[in-house]
Amino acid sequence: DADVTQTPRNRITKTGKRIMLECSQTKGHDRMYWYRQDPGLGLRLIYYSFDVKDINKGEISDGYSVSRQAQAKFSLSLESAIPNQTALYFCATSTPALGHGYTFGSGTRLTVV
Amino acid sequence: AQKITQTQPGMFVQEKEAVTLDCTYDTSDQSYGLFWYKQPSSGEMIFLIYQGSYDEQNATEGRYSLNFQKARKSANLVISASQLGDSAMYFCAMREWGGADGLTFGKGTHLIIQP
Repeated sequence: DADVTQTPRNRITKTGKRIMLECSQTKGHDRMYWYRQDPGLGLRLIYYSFDVKDINKGEISDGYSVSRQAQAKFSLSLESAIPNQTALYFCATSTPALGHGYTFGSGTRLTVV
Repeated sequence: AQKITQTQPGMFVQEKEAVTLDCTYDTSDQSYGLFWYKQPSSGEMIFLIYQGSYDEQNATEGRYSLNFQKARKSANLVISASQLGDSAMYFCAMREWGGADGLTFGKGTHLIIQP
């Protein structure tokens, strides 16, 4: 099994619908992140969490919300999806230690029509 | 101002040649880390190499090396003896230890290796 699992892998939804993307990890890392990737723009940080009670906004949090249900689970919600939220979404985890401590999930490709 | 700049949107390279992918960064932090990731067409993000700002030697991982020039704020990725499987998007990223958590990414370079 993958260390960081994202579900679903692909999703098509309609404008105005609420949708949740889920992420679970077996790394035992305390920090979790949600990123969005648009063509030509690289990855941008949406939200990050240090633990269940510590949630922080990233660069592009408008239109999104998150929930850290447990150390191993971090979900991203789009309350009312819009077409410009069509993107590839990545969950990632890390530890406070220096170095290459970031592990990415395989991504969720979301299309809003 | 962009924190991570990758000036090569796309590159074509002959198989077996060495490749240098450019990355410059902007930070006022003294403590930071620089990362390179590979993203093949399948979409996953694959970690390649890491360089800490206090590391005195350039990082190496197999065929990958990082040409770190701190004064120039440059962290170029060098791939030796390129292979067809190296064709992918490559992203440079930075973590500023004195700032908010998370990585800041560049826009990427699309590398195509030709036989």
